[in-house]
Amino acid sequence: EAQVTQNPRYLITVTGKKLTVTCSQNMNHEYMSWYRQDPGLGLRQIYYSMNVEVTDKGDVPEGYKVSRKEKRNFPLILESPSPNQTSLYFCASSLPRQGGIRRTGELFFGEGSRLTVL
Amino acid sequence: QQQVKQSPQSLIVQKGGISIINCAYENTAFDYFPWYQQFPGKGPALLIAIRPDVSEKKEGRFTISFNKSAKQFSLHIMDSQPGDSATYFCAPLEYGNKLVFGAGTILRVKS
Repeated sequence: EAQVTQNPRYLITVTGKKLTVTCSQNMNHEYMSWYRQDPGLGLRQIYYSMNVEVTDKGDVPEGYKVSRKEKRNFPLILESPSPNQTSLYFCASSLPRQGGIRRTGELFFGEGSRLTVL
Repeated sequence: QQQVKQSPQSLIVQKGGISIINCAYENTAFDYFPWYQQFPGKGPALLIAIRPDVSEKKEGRFTISFNKSAKQFSLHIMDSQPGDSATYFCAPLEYGNKLVFGAGTILRVKS
């Protein structure tokens, strides 16, 4: 089954305790991205990766790190979490849209990781 | 800078009625206009999308209307059903893969 898998699904932690949210996809997608979802703000992009070893900042990258050492995995790292990073996090993947190829860029999302930082 | 304005924030519709959600955008570089549907406890999933060279696209009970000159597009759900109760996001994207999400509309269809 084609899917994006995130872990953990739920996490409560304390300020300053480093944590990693893992993301893995089995669709051989080059493009992967992390979003956070907050009420009234929709989904905002944190980081994205066009391919292995290629990552770039999204709209709200402060306080987060990512790495893309393998095509299927794209972990999100919070080095020193703070309460304002309490949110619902989504990993997503897609095929890249390329010139001359009418791909849609449809994003496939994981089921989300709800993080609470006390 | 708010690139995408979605309205209304929430919507209650009777079963069998028509649900209409609107999205206005500013960025003329957007070239693909999808709507995503999200059920509680799940990630968003693509519902329907339209390219800017057409004004309307229909898939079953779901229709997108697109007005390029007004920089607006809307989602119409005909014969709304309780199973349509979800949060809907417009999420236009530029050439590339970055979607810019609206704030979302919580739809509740009353049976």
